[in-house]
Amino acid sequence: GAVVSQHPSRVICKSGTSVKIECRSLDFQATTMFWYRQFPKQSLMLMATSNEGSKATYEQGVEKDKFLINHASLTLSTLTVTSAHPEDSSFYICSATTADRGYGYTFGSGTRLTVV
Amino acid sequence: QQQVKQSPQSLIVQKGGIPIINCAYENTAFDYFPWYQQFPGKGPALLIAIRPDVSEKKEGRFTISFNKSAKQFSLHIMDSQPGDSATYFCAASKDQAGTALIFGKGTTLSVSS
Repeated sequence: GAVVSQHPSRVICKSGTSVKIECRSLDFQATTMFWYRQFPKQSLMLMATSNEGSKATYEQGVEKDKFLINHASLTLSTLTVTSAHPEDSSFYICSATTADRGYGYTFGSGTRLTVV
Repeated sequence: QQQVKQSPQSLIVQKGGIPIINCAYENTAFDYFPWYQQFPGKGPALLIAIRPDVSEKKEGRFTISFNKSAKQFSLHIMDSQPGDSATYFCAASKDQAGTALIFGKGTTLSVSS
């Protein structure tokens, strides 16, 4: 089956620093990757959609200069939280799909970011 | 505008009971309706999904009922077990490459032993 690996699973960083989260599709080529954010006891909120080789499309209200998304290959997308602040603390989850949706949507295991 | 409305917010059933979670959608362009299970600190895992051309789909103890005219779909969990205690999300997406899933707000299920 389709597998998406997300790293790190947990990260603690200081305010003002940047953190990079990786999302890799291990056994399929992910033409599209999605990044979600989830606050405690809330739903998954779509942050951005990225297609391989293209700039990411951000949802309304998501700061593209703060949440940098790179999808340079068909198996890797990264989310970099720049100049992190405590309010950026959240659970970040990636999801990947292929152009023909043969695998549906496969989710990573999530990254718990804590900014102190 | 909330595109996928999910209810109830929380649900408590006894072991062996049949919890039912409901979702309603607004966008008639949606054509893929999955249900996900999520445990604390983990990513969501696909349970079962349905497309509008069928009214019901069953996989193991999980059943989706789909009503296209009412724009509603529901998840039934047969013979629920304490291990089923988790948060369940319905979702929907359009049949278009690169389209994201839109999630409901989630239902926290507790199955007592």
